[in-house]
Amino acid sequence: SQQGEEDPQALSIQEGENATMNCSYKTSINNLQWYRQNSGRGLVHLILIRSNEREKHSGRLRVTLDTSKKSSSLLITASRAADTASYFCATMEGGGADGLTFGKGTHLIIQP
Amino acid sequence: GAVVSQHPSRVICKSGTSVKIECRSLDFQATTMFWYRQFPKQSLMLMATSNEGSKATYEQGVEKDKFLINHASLTLSTLTVTSAHPEDSSFYICSARDPGQGSYEQYFGPGTRLTVT
Repeated sequence: SQQGEEDPQALSIQEGENATMNCSYKTSINNLQWYRQNSGRGLVHLILIRSNEREKHSGRLRVTLDTSKKSSSLLITASRAADTASYFCATMEGGGADGLTFGKGTHLIIQP
Repeated sequence: GAVVSQHPSRVICKSGTSVKIECRSLDFQATTMFWYRQFPKQSLMLMATSNEGSKATYEQGVEKDKFLINHASLTLSTLTVTSAHPEDSSFYICSARDPGQGSYEQYFGPGTRLTVT
C-alpha cells in the first residue's frame, strides 16, 4: 500500500512561532486528513480537505492541498506548548468504506 | 463528537496465548470499523477493515488466521491476536466512521498496548 511521507520528521520551535509540516502521497485520493497523536495515545482528527479543495482553515490550523504535486501542508499558527505532539497526514483513496493510509508523521516540539 | 472506546487499554500476555481486544462505538452505529497497528515511533498501518455481518477484509501481508476479527454488532468489533509472539507487541488502534454524519472523518479509539513476553 502507498505510504505518505511527511517532512520534517521532527520539528522544534519556540512557543508563539508558526509550525509548518508537509506531506506527500502517491496515489489519487478522495480526501486527505490530518491527525494529532499525543505520546502513546489515540488519534485526534484535526481537519479534512477534499480532493477538489485547495485550502482549508480551522482555528489556528491552515491546510493546503496540491493534487498536481500530490502534496499537502499543515500550518499551525501561534504555537502553544500544548501543540507538542506527533502529526500525521492520512489519505483516503475511495469512499467512506476505505481505511486510511498514514504518512510517517512529524514530531513537533514546542519549547516554552 | 462521536466516541470510540477500546478495551483493554494495556495487556501483557505470555507467548503462545491469545488476546482479545474490543472496539466499541458508544454513541453511533458503525457498519465499518478499521484496525490499525503502530510500532514504537512509527506510523499507523491499516491491518483490516471490519464489516458488520460479514468477513473482514485484510490488508496484504496481514495473516487473517492470526488476527481474527469479528464485527458482531453495529457497535462492537473485536480483534483477537492468536498464538501471540513477542513480535506482535504493538499499539493496536481501532477507528470507525459515523455514516450518519455524512463525512469521511474517522473516530479513533484510545488504543490498546499489547506486550507479549
